Amino acid sequence: AQSVAQPEDQVNVAEGNPLTVKCTYSVSGNPYLFWYVQYPNRGLQFLLKYITGDNLVKGSYGFEAEFNKSQTSFHLKKPSALVSDSALYFCAVRDMGRGGFKTIFGAGTRLFVKA
Amino acid sequence: DAGVTQSPTHLIKTRGQQVTLRCSPISGHKSVSWYQQVLGQGPQFIFQYYEKEERGRGNFPDRFSARQFPNYSSELNVNALLLGDSALYLCASSLPPGTGLTGELFFGEGSRLTVL
Repeated sequence: AQSVAQPEDQVNVAEGNPLTVKCTYSVSGNPYLFWYVQYPNRGLQFLLKYITGDNLVKGSYGFEAEFNKSQTSFHLKKPSALVSDSALYFCAVRDMGRGGFKTIFGAGTRLFVKA
Repeated sequence: DAGVTQSPTHLIKTRGQQVTLRCSPISGHKSVSWYQQVLGQGPQFIFQYYEKEERGRGNFPDRFSARQFPNYSSELNVNALLLGDSALYLCASSLPPGTGLTGELFFGEGSRLTVL
């Protein structure tokens, strides 16, 4: 079965510093990996995805993610954090079934960016 | 274009009651998925529907059911509510596999259910 793990419940960074939110995955076959962000009392918003190709994927709001097959990781990164980046971040993996699919989410990592 | 819309946004029920949650997907999206998000946890997959057929079901009891209509909107029904059903219920639409796209999910704002 496909799964993702987010080892950190919370990440704290200062504004202007680089940030990394970690994710590891376990899949059979080629991974379809995603990052989503959730602001308080809101639904999730798609940030970026890795399907194939370049290991460095660029997404919305200046975020990027690095796919590392040997380490089975898909860490989310941003060169310079903003206070407005403070939110809940979810790593996810697509699980294809017979005739359909489902997306499996990690437990989430809360990012706090301090001014 | 309108995004995914869900109704109601908030509702309070008592144990044993039944609830129906509604979802309208983004225009052109034929696949709808339902997720349950308990406070402090990641979303848990409940159902996926495509072309009015159930294409996937998560590990939820039979008290949970859903359907998709010809216009691709969807309803999630939960019977015999328990306190543990209190959660944010999220609907997401997507383009289905086979369209050549990867099917990232587009979420609504959710329906927050409180069971007393």
